[in-house]
Amino acid sequence: QKEVEQDPGPLSVPEGAIVSLNCTYSNSAFQYFMWYRQYSRKGPELLMYTYSSGNKEDGRFTAQVDKSSKYISLFIRDSQPSDSATYLCAMNSGNTPLVFGKGTRLSVIA
Amino acid sequence: GAVVSQHPSRVICKSGTSVKIECRSLDFQATTMFWYRQFPKQSLMLMATSNEGSKATYEQGVEKDKFLINHASLTLSTLTVTSAHPEDSSFYICSAIPNSGPSYEQYFGPGTRLTVT
Repeated sequence: QKEVEQDPGPLSVPEGAIVSLNCTYSNSAFQYFMWYRQYSRKGPELLMYTYSSGNKEDGRFTAQVDKSSKYISLFIRDSQPSDSATYLCAMNSGNTPLVFGKGTRLSVIA
Repeated sequence: GAVVSQHPSRVICKSGTSVKIECRSLDFQATTMFWYRQFPKQSLMLMATSNEGSKATYEQGVEKDKFLINHASLTLSTLTVTSAHPEDSSFYICSAIPNSGPSYEQYFGPGTRLTVT
């Protein structure tokens, strides 16, 4: 079993839809959870990070962590065509390298 | 926000030659930088952890003599792909942790696309 599992998609949704992206992990030592957005041929851009279980909201984005289930989610409200990208979850236990999911390719259709 | 640059953004080289890729933190100091490789439609694979003033730590399966890393200052790490072969063609991305920030935050460069012919 890989440390971090993420459905690669692709995921296609109409503009305005709510998008749900998810990752599961197996290492209970992971404490920090990040979501990155990567446009084609570009480096990843940090979207959100969370530490504890619960929700964290930033504009149209909500990150959710459930440590008991080892499950994290990213919700995008009112999705826009400009949100079309690959979304990578990443996590670590602090001062250790990030472990990435495979990334989910999202297309928001106008 | 924290900015990381990479140079070059794209490079084509002949098989057997060496290529150097630079990673710079533009507005912060970073003792620790990371080098990743990403194949098409794949996730980022950590190659090595670069620490200023000391030897890099390589992940299992990554040849340290082939991928030379030098982290000579708090704002610059370089990756040299020596004796490049077509199978080394990939997207190489670096990231850096700001010394002044939490250890879990990493900022990524825009990547370097290497094509070996």
